Amino acid sequence: GIQVEQSPPDLILQEGANSTLRCNFSDSVNNLQWFHQNPWGQLINLFYIPSGTKQNGRLSATTVATERYSLLYISSSQTTDSGVYFCAARMDSSYKLIFGSGTRLLVRP
Amino acid sequence: KAGVTQTPRYLIKTRGQQVTLSCSPISGHRSVSWYQQTPGQGLQFLFEYFSETQRNKGNFPGRFSGRQFSNSRSEMNVSTLELGDSALYLCASSSRTGAVSGANVLTFGAGSRLTVL
Repeated sequence: GIQVEQSPPDLILQEGANSTLRCNFSDSVNNLQWFHQNPWGQLINLFYIPSGTKQNGRLSATTVATERYSLLYISSSQTTDSGVYFCAARMDSSYKLIFGSGTRLLVRP
Repeated sequence: KAGVTQTPRYLIKTRGQQVTLSCSPISGHRSVSWYQQTPGQGLQFLFEYFSETQRNKGNFPGRFSGRQFSNSRSEMNVSTLELGDSALYLCASSSRTGAVSGANVLTFGAGSRLTVL
């Protein structure tokens, strides 16, 4: 089945810094989502982005489906951005979303 | 619009017992998926239901089962609990139609945190 890999596994930033999180997937996908998991465990949708570029405030994401990767950009990071970021992908023939192992982000004041 | 509601939020069981977790999807959503999250294995797919039919099942033993009701609410059950079943169980709903392809944006509930002693 599809494999989803995220990098880096851990990231520590100073407040105000920018960062890029990467997600590689091993097969063509028809669904790719980025999530933020808060300290209480809730997964919050950030982007549904099987291809192209989207922006939402300080966050933006780009997926290059032909090269099988997606990037999540965080600009001017804030302490509230801390948590774990997951990307998840689904193949054309499957109903299940496969998650990467996540990037744990800590933003220091 | 209310989100995905999972109950109970926290529970403690002992080995050998069974547990039932409930998930109420967003109104109008017909697809419900379940995931298990553990520190060692990450987020793993358990099963997905659409219109009361199980569409796909992950690689879990038969002790894990689920069902979906006509109002799209779903339950999952774990029998003969083991210590390794301690996890955060997450439910997600989507408005996906019967087709596999197409937008299937999953919205997750807050989860049910199960501790097995």
